[in-house]
Amino acid sequence: DAMVIQNPRYQVTQFGKPVTLSCSQTLNHNVMYWYQQKSSQAPKLLFHYYDKDFNNEADTPDNFQSRRPNTSFCFLDIRSPGLGDAAMYLCATSSDSGYPSGETQYFGPGTRLLVL
Amino acid sequence: AQSVTQLDSHVSVSEGTPVLLRCNYSSSYSPSLFWYVQHPNKGLQLLLKYTSAATLVKGINGFEAEFKKSETSFHLTKPSAHMSDAAEYFCVVSERAGTASKLTFGTGTRLQVTL
Repeated sequence: DAMVIQNPRYQVTQFGKPVTLSCSQTLNHNVMYWYQQKSSQAPKLLFHYYDKDFNNEADTPDNFQSRRPNTSFCFLDIRSPGLGDAAMYLCATSSDSGYPSGETQYFGPGTRLLVL
Repeated sequence: AQSVTQLDSHVSVSEGTPVLLRCNYSSSYSPSLFWYVQHPNKGLQLLLKYTSAATLVKGINGFEAEFKKSETSFHLTKPSAHMSDAAEYFCVVSERAGTASKLTFGTGTRLQVTL
């Protein structure tokens, strides 16, 4: 089955220690998104890639970076995690068919990050 | 600008009884609307979507939703709740923003199913 895969499912890191979360997809979608979801809240968009073009949300902290080496993979790098960065991180993909109100986004299972 | 209001933060039903999760939206354009479900410590799973075709949309696991433009509503229903339906449900409206689809989420409704 075509899907969005995130690894690891759970990640523990230390305060200030860089961490990388991984997302891969077999849907061959050209758009990939990273969301942060804190407890009992809706997901919040951090940034997205349209093919190789990176698009940052205005309120995403500089501490969060991303890389997309190819169509299938996208990484979220947190350079110096703080206690406030503990959250579920969700990757999503969509295809760009030009539909005026946007396309469906398909989400991965998420990575829960714990910062000690 | 678009917005989504989920009218109930928490809904509790007995197993086998109907489910109604309410959602109202605001959008400047003809919207795409979605319902996603999230089980504890899991990602978001697409239940169903409305994209200007039939106003009654059938989704997975027996859920359906009706788009009512006059009421700006997109309520989610299921005739008979199952214990496995207990989860968080998000109503979402989508708009095109540049090169991507920008999702606006409701605050979520936690569905509890009791025996």
